[in-house]
Amino acid sequence: QSVLTQPPSASGTPGQRVTISCSGSSSNIESNYVYWYQHLPGTAPKLLIYSNDQRPSGVPDRFSGSKSGTSASLAISGLRSEDEADYYCAGWDDSLSGVIFGGGTKLTVL
Amino acid sequence: QVQLQESGPGLVKSSETLSLTCTVSGGSISSTIYYWGWIRQPPGKGLEWIGAIYYGGTTYYNPSLKSRVTISKDTSKNQFSLNLNSVTAADTAVYYCGRSGPTIGYMDVWGQGTTVTVSS
Repeated sequence: QSVLTQPPSASGTPGQRVTISCSGSSSNIESNYVYWYQHLPGTAPKLLIYSNDQRPSGVPDRFSGSKSGTSASLAISGLRSEDEADYYCAGWDDSLSGVIFGGGTKLTVL
Repeated sequence: QVQLQESGPGLVKSSETLSLTCTVSGGSISSTIYYWGWIRQPPGKGLEWIGAIYYGGTTYYNPSLKSRVTISKDTSKNQFSLNLNSVTAADTAVYYCGRSGPTIGYMDVWGQGTTVTVSS
């Protein structure tokens, strides 16, 4: 069981907006940065969001991140078929003194 | 452009030590702002952070693996390594090496991943 809790699945149709949640605690999300990764099994994970809401260069602005208290969210607007992947939130946990990942959310584009 | 490449045995016997090396090209592992680390993904499961080593040599480990893990670096070869001892079938996974920085959670460059199977 992951310290960061994500829904196991999410879905949407092309063009829709989808939100994936990540719930944590005061020792991780509330007091540290949140990161989001996109992962297609068999390939390297890709950093989508850093520092809660910042996009690395090359990441489309369809992807956005937010954080409030002990929760964070990843929003994907204008959903595209190539967005179908697993999405993970991650961050540092002060109590564990380590990086933690959420359990992952499998996004299906219907 | 920095590139990372994992290498090591694809099959390890139970109770033995898993050893992987990550070779860095296009950049130096002595760069002051970076961490060099490992994550893994067991079959059918999510990503798990294993640990990282900072440019100065400070190491950070997943508490659940800390008793079995050692991450080290060889600056002369521009490589860093993972040793995981007393492996079991639960350690079967795809292992990725990666670079992070300036914060440890900012993992922006990855190797392609290597599959390690623990056999009994």
